[in-house]
Amino acid sequence: DAGVTQTPRHEVAEKGQTIILKCEPVSGHNDLFWYRQTKIQGLELLSYFRSKSLMEDGGAFKDRFKAEMLNSSFSTLKIQPTEPKDSAVYLCASSLWGDSYEQYFGPGTRLTVL
Amino acid sequence: GDSVTQTEGPVTVSESESLIINCTYSATSIAYPNLFWYVRYPGEGLQLLLKVITAGQKGSSRGFEATYNKETTSFHLQKASVQESDSAVYYCALGDRGGSNYKLTFGKGTLLTVTP
Repeated sequence: DAGVTQTPRHEVAEKGQTIILKCEPVSGHNDLFWYRQTKIQGLELLSYFRSKSLMEDGGAFKDRFKAEMLNSSFSTLKIQPTEPKDSAVYLCASSLWGDSYEQYFGPGTRLTVL
Repeated sequence: GDSVTQTEGPVTVSESESLIINCTYSATSIAYPNLFWYVRYPGEGLQLLLKVITAGQKGSSRGFEATYNKETTSFHLQKASVQESDSAVYYCALGDRGGSNYKLTFGKGTLLTVTP
């Protein structure tokens, strides 16, 4: 089985640009999570979907961050407009509801905003 | 809110020495906490190392152990004899077994370097 796929692996953006990160969860998983990872804050939850329904939208990230699940096997995270402080690794994870609570993580997208 | 605090890194240990990475949690909104250790090896994605969903139980994997202590709200990660291949970033995480929200709250991670 394929794991969680994230594209691109690296992204460089100018301040003010719009960027879209993509995630394909493990086939059959119905929970999907977006996290931001930095050295200072660690992993912060951005969004959480169950069966395509938004369960939680990280309060501090609502204004410029928008995650969507277009179908059960594809999700996007849009950052608009980008700011230098958004430079981080963005992780996508998926899990199967009711199954041991384990989240499977993608390799991440490293975003650099100049 | 819910939170996880773990040993601040970096931690450097010599090969074959013992290791403990501390983890304590605060579960103010979670009735039935689940506890996890995740690990990220160099060049790899974050992956589950071990989990415990019942207080008082111990989880183990790859020579690592952690016991879920409800009284002290702790879930320390231990290994009796580390190897160079254990060099990685370790994350303690807290989840909610009792609710319908399966999100995890992570600690900030502990970078472990094992020297030969």
